[in-house]
Amino acid sequence: AQSVTQLDSHVSVSEGTPVLLRCNYSSSYSPSLFWYVQHPNKGLQLLLKYTSAATLVKGINGFEAEFKKSETSFHLTKPSAHMSDAAEYFCVPIWGGNTGKLIFGQGTTLQVKP
Amino acid sequence: GAVVSQHPSRVICKSGTSVKIECRSLDFQATTMFWYRQFPKKSLMLMATSNEGSKATYEQGVEKDKFLINHASLTLSTLTVTSAHPEDSSFYICSATTSSNEQFFGPGTRLTVL
Repeated sequence: AQSVTQLDSHVSVSEGTPVLLRCNYSSSYSPSLFWYVQHPNKGLQLLLKYTSAATLVKGINGFEAEFKKSETSFHLTKPSAHMSDAAEYFCVPIWGGNTGKLIFGQGTTLQVKP
Repeated sequence: GAVVSQHPSRVICKSGTSVKIECRSLDFQATTMFWYRQFPKKSLMLMATSNEGSKATYEQGVEKDKFLINHASLTLSTLTVTSAHPEDSSFYICSATTSSNEQFFGPGTRLTVL
């Protein structure tokens, strides 16, 4: 079955330290993968996406993610957390033939401490 | 990027009344829009796919007579919560898909049913 797992429901870091939000998918086929961010009581914003081109994808606000097929992972990273990064993050897969429906995983809450 | 708006951003209504939420693509035409529901501290749940000029496709477990969706034009989809009850209180988010299949999200509507 095709699925995605965000391994941590909650991640807490100090401002200025690195961020790692983990995402693994389960499928024989490689999906396209998106990372979205949602600030409190706001809609979603696309951070970055992987669509079978370069495996290292750079997104907005200093975030990047690397697609690793051998590990079926697409972890989101940022070298130095900022207070404004505190939000909910969603890793969302799309497999071939999808009609555009996005099925969201459980999400990861990022807390940034001063 | 493309802009999607939602109106209203917040609405409070009495139990038993109906509430209409609008989703507009401001600078592009969207043949497909999606409606999501998000409970507090939870992920987004896809409710239905709204296609311009045709009936919406509802996800399993979503009552189509309860959540009426109309996609009358290429820039507007509406979600009407009929005979609202307190359990319908939630954050409703729409998204619209561009011609290149990129999805943009609205800022969400907070519905509170008293």
